[in-house]
Amino acid sequence: IAGITQAPTSQILAAGRRMTLRCTQDMRHNAMYWYRQDLGLGLRLIHYSNTAGTTGKGEVPDGYSVSRANTDDFPLTLASAVPSQTSVYFCASSDSMEGGADTQYFGPGTRLTVL
Amino acid sequence: GQNIDQPTEMTATEGAIVQINCTYQTSGFNGLFWYQQHAGEAPTFLSYNVLDGLEEKGRFSSFLSRSKGYSYLLLKELQMKDSASYLCAVMDSNYQLIWGAGTKLIIKP
Repeated sequence: IAGITQAPTSQILAAGRRMTLRCTQDMRHNAMYWYRQDLGLGLRLIHYSNTAGTTGKGEVPDGYSVSRANTDDFPLTLASAVPSQTSVYFCASSDSMEGGADTQYFGPGTRLTVL
Repeated sequence: GQNIDQPTEMTATEGAIVQINCTYQTSGFNGLFWYQQHAGEAPTFLSYNVLDGLEEKGRFSSFLSRSKGYSYLLLKELQMKDSASYLCAVMDSNYQLIWGAGTKLIIKP
């Protein structure tokens, strides 16, 4: 059982380019999340999805978009990357429907550098 | 605003006990989580508290006081592999996790 996989592991990207970070889970969890982690700051929620077909905005959604066409996949797209989007990106999932307090499980992360 | 505070860094000796504190101010409360994160890796779940009191799980224990907005993670019989960052997170009224910046724990032999 892989749990949650993310791709790529790391990426260097020129400013202005479009980039999609991939996230796939095999636990059949309802909810999925995208976070960014920056030095000295806590994890910050970018977007989330409580169930396939629905998405919501987190704390820092600007410059990012997501889709949730099925239960397993939750890609994050940067339409036009900027240097401030340099960060480590974590995808997570949990078994909760909306209104649940279940544990979130994290993928290995994608280290993104925008130059 | 919502705020989670925890010390930036702590140092302890192998075999000893260390307590990592976390204080919080959030919009609502649906539980407090502790995660462990080794350098360059993903956070992994350690504990969840929603009621006041102490939850013990092997060498790790977590305590919660909702009236004080306070939690701590207690690590006993420290091992070198416990060197990591420890993240405190509170689930708010919208069932979203609000994260502290983490406490980097350095274990010395």
